[in-house]
Amino acid sequence: GAVVSQHPSWVICKSGTSVKIECRSLDFQATTMFWYRQFPKQSLMLMATSNEGSKATYEQGVEKDKFLINHASLTLSTLTVTSAHPEDSSFYICSAPDRAKTGELFFGEGSRLTVL
Amino acid sequence: QQQVKQSPQSLIVQKGGISIINCAYENTAFDYFPWYQQFPGKGPALLIAIRPDVSEKKEGRFTISFNKSAKQFSLHIMDSQPGDSATYFCAASGNAGNMLTFGGGTRLMVKP
Repeated sequence: GAVVSQHPSWVICKSGTSVKIECRSLDFQATTMFWYRQFPKQSLMLMATSNEGSKATYEQGVEKDKFLINHASLTLSTLTVTSAHPEDSSFYICSAPDRAKTGELFFGEGSRLTVL
Repeated sequence: QQQVKQSPQSLIVQKGGISIINCAYENTAFDYFPWYQQFPGKGPALLIAIRPDVSEKKEGRFTISFNKSAKQFSLHIMDSQPGDSATYFCAASGNAGNMLTFGGGTRLMVKP
């Protein structure tokens, strides 16, 4: 099946710093990617839809200036958590649909962010 | 708002038993209903999915039952195994490949 890769898989940073998380579709092109956030023992909550070549679409309540999304190519989307604070500590997961085939959404392995 | 409601939140089943997880949705525009399995520290992986034009889909030990009029669908895991212990999420979207709305998740534990 298609593979979506995330990097880093885990990161620890100090409060106030910025962290970039990459999401790559390894064997298919994705004009759209979705970013989810998952707190411990909770479900996945959609943060934003990343669109190649255009601005991301953010869900209600998600701060655009804090969670910067860039979808620079058909295989790469990045999420930058700016001025991170402890409450931003979470599991961030991206997904991408393989529209050339079934359209099935493939998820990355997730990135665990811990802000000290 | 919670457009997809999932129950139970947790489930304990003996090895060889049947695990049943239920979901209900509100948005009648949903027409794609996948189930995902997630192990700790990992991303979700697609188990099985169904569209409203069929009432049941079976793949190996996993079966989805779908009731369009009741706006409900369920996952049945037959002959449950300890390796099935994970968190299961139902989801829904307007089409395969579109953003998914997830249920709250069910933590399944299969006892040996």
